[in-house]
Order: sequence, then C-alpha cells, then structure tokens
Amino acid sequence: SQKIEQNSEALNIQEGKTATLTCNYTNYSPAYLQWYRQDPGRGPVFLLLIRENEKEKRKERLKVTFDTTLKQSLFHITASQPADSATYLCALDMYNTGGFKTIFGAGTRLFVKA
Amino acid sequence: ETGVTQTPRHLVMGMTNKKSLKCEQHLGHNAMYWYKQSAKKPLELMFVYSLEERVENNSVPSRFSPECPNSSHLFLHLHTLQPEDSALYLCASSQERTENQPQHFGDGTRLSIL
Repeated sequence: SQKIEQNSEALNIQEGKTATLTCNYTNYSPAYLQWYRQDPGRGPVFLLLIRENEKEKRKERLKVTFDTTLKQSLFHITASQPADSATYLCALDMYNTGGFKTIFGAGTRLFVKA
Repeated sequence: ETGVTQTPRHLVMGMTNKKSLKCEQHLGHNAMYWYKQSAKKPLELMFVYSLEERVENNSVPSRFSPECPNSSHLFLHLHTLQPEDSALYLCASSQERTENQPQHFGDGTRLSIL
C-alpha cells in the first residue's frame, strides 16, 4: 500500500541545536517533495520544494535532502529557536491524470525549549 | 496574511442544518482546493478546481457540495452532515494545477457537528 510516514511522536530539542525531521514514503514515485509548517489554529505555510533530481536544498536555516533510493526526505533546522516550534508536514507531488496530485503526511510536532 | 481568506473561522451546526463555507484568494491563482484535516491525520484532498472547472473529486459524500463561481472564490455547501464530519476544513490555492506549484492555505474553518 502507499504510505507517507512522519514521526507521530513529538520532537523535543534544546534551543540552538539542529532539529532533524524525517519523511519516509513507500510505493510512490514523487517528482517533487515539499515541506510546510503549520501552527496551531492556522493553515500550513509553504517552506521549501525539492525536485527528484536534487539532493539538497537550502533556505536560510533550513535544509532539505531528498533520497529517491531510500525514499526519504530529511528536513533540518539549524540553530533552532523556540519560534520554530510548530508541526511540520511533508508533501509528495506526483503526476496524476489531468495534472499533479499532492499527498500530505500527518506531520511531526517540534518543540524547541529555551 | 497568506492571501487566502476563509470564513467563518468557527462553525457549530446540527446534523439537519445547511451552511456554507467561503474561501477567497487575492493571489491571482487559477487552481483552488478544499481539504479536510482531522486530528493526527494527514490532510485529505476533497475537491480541486482549475480555471473554475472541477477537475478532481476524491470520493467525497454528496452532503458536501463545492461551488466555484470564479477563480477567486470557492464555496463548500454543507447539508445533513454527520458527527464524523467535524474537522478543520482548509482552502488552498496555487498558480496552476501543475508541478512545482506550492499551495497557499487559508487558516481554515473549524467545523463542529452536534
């Protein structure tokens, strides 16, 4: 069956450390992978997109890797801050009849302690 | 401000009521989406509109009826809902329904069915 797996347990880290979140998938062949941030009571906000032929993408303190062999993406936040506390969603973009289809994971909650 | 506005933010209704959710985007996008988000579950895509034409309906019960009168507005008409329909309903838009298109989300309508 097709699955997207993100760690359902919350990740707790200390301020200043690097947070690493994992997104694994099975039986999908995504052309793109996206990461979103969602705060309580708010809609998801787009952070980064990486193509299947890209290994790594960076934006300020954020870094995403995409390994199509392992079927895994890692999302890193360096020098983490309490303001980074949120739920992070990964999403796969795949070719679909008539266009593209985006499938979301359930998200991982990140808590950054001061 | 994401450029996508949803109203109302909260809605409580009985199972026999009829109500509508509204979404408006100010981004000039051509694709709009309705998602359902239940606690600890991935976003479930309900409907996709591209240039005001419904292009995807993911086996959503007929008690949910979408309407897209123009490319800036999207409605979700609700009637005779069930308690399991209680969830956060998110609207999103993207430039096109093609690859490499991040989605911009509103902050959702929190729906509670009594």
